[in-house]
Amino acid sequence: GEDVEQSLFLSVREGDSSVINCTYTDSSSTYLYWYKQEPGAGLQLLTYIFSNMDMKQDQRLTVLLNKKDKHLSLRIADTQTGDSAIYFCAAYMFSGGYNKLIFGAGTRLAVHP
Amino acid sequence: GAGVSQSPSNKVTEKGKDVELRCDPISGHTALYWYRQSLGQGLEFLIYFQGNSAPDKSGLPSDRFSAERTGGSVSTLTIQRTQQEDSAVYLCASSQMWVDTEAFFGQGTRLTVV
Repeated sequence: GEDVEQSLFLSVREGDSSVINCTYTDSSSTYLYWYKQEPGAGLQLLTYIFSNMDMKQDQRLTVLLNKKDKHLSLRIADTQTGDSAIYFCAAYMFSGGYNKLIFGAGTRLAVHP
Repeated sequence: GAGVSQSPSNKVTEKGKDVELRCDPISGHTALYWYRQSLGQGLEFLIYFQGNSAPDKSGLPSDRFSAERTGGSVSTLTIQRTQQEDSAVYLCASSQMWVDTEAFFGQGTRLTVV
């Protein structure tokens, strides 16, 4: 099965909050990441959280981490049309003696007026 | 260079031909990843390099796919006898050798097999 799982689609009204959820399997992941991919563009790191934190806030972005449940969420306040993109959750997984960076399938966020 | 560079940015090839995709990671980054993103899909892990060695090749979809990395820097992903289902964007990322560091992505190579 997938090591990092996300729901595939989210549709929100402009001005509302968006919450994108992610679950992961490797509890040894010390950093967890959110990447953003805008249409036709590459992936850019949006934010990250260290595993000893429960929450990290950066302007309109809030990352919540429940380490016990291995659940990560990204909240975007006052969602704008420019936030329409695919959001990927990522974590390092230990496999074959090495840590490799594994991504979820991505959540496509659609913002409508 | 300043960022991860991939070439070509677009490649159209005939079914059955071989293609080579190139990735130039950020200087000093020893970890290098190849992913594939099919139309409307998420990121599929293909292969991972630590230096010149590939400890994890589990994501390569078939024996038509191979990758190498020389000098701990440039990597080449080769697809032999391309098929239409190989059409996708191939993304390369690099990061510093220790774990839990940000991975930086190239803009990708869009491969179309006709």
